Amino acid sequence: KNQVEQSPQSLIILEGKNCTLQCNYTVSPFSNLRWYKQDTGRGPVSLTIMTFSENTKSNGRYTATLDADTKQSSLHITASQLSDSASYICVVSGSGGSYIPTFGRGTSLIVHP
Amino acid sequence: GAGVSQSPSNKVTEKGKDVELRCDPISGHTALYWYRQSLGQGLEFLIYFQGNSAPDKSGLPSDRFSAERTGGSVSTLTIQRTQQEDSAVYLCASSFSGGPTGELFFGEGSRLTVL
Repeated sequence: KNQVEQSPQSLIILEGKNCTLQCNYTVSPFSNLRWYKQDTGRGPVSLTIMTFSENTKSNGRYTATLDADTKQSSLHITASQLSDSASYICVVSGSGGSYIPTFGRGTSLIVHP
Repeated sequence: GAGVSQSPSNKVTEKGKDVELRCDPISGHTALYWYRQSLGQGLEFLIYFQGNSAPDKSGLPSDRFSAERTGGSVSTLTIQRTQQEDSAVYLCASSFSGGPTGELFFGEGSRLTVL
């Protein structure tokens, strides 16, 4: 069964600090992994997409990594801002015929001033 | 439109009533997805449309739930005889092609409260 596990479930940090969110998956065969950001009361928005051959990808202060061998990904946020407070969702798509991506439960990040 | 539009944004109904939730995807997007998100929980897949057909409706929790899509555009999710456990935010997403690399663009959701 395809699964996506995220940790930690929630995280509180001070403004300006860095943090790293983790994602482990069992989706096979693997196509790609996306990180989405969901602000409270809004729909999720894609931050990055990682394919099999990519190890690192940056989007501003967000850097995603992928280790396809260990089936792990991380999202690193540098110099956090209050606006980074949101839920970060790891979503993995397979290439085995089903076009239904598998969603993690998300990590809730709170950035305090 | 510029983004995925959902209506109503909020709906309060009494137990046993039927509700209809509407999703207007991004123009030209052939794939459309419905998800449900209960308070503090992750997204739960409900149904996927490619054009007007639904090749995957495995996530619909019971036969009280149904969805249709017409003209390859607007979709309606219908919940009959609503129950309190149906209370959640219902999110719609569309994608250009529905392939595995397609980015999902989400609407703001319809918050359903069943009293």
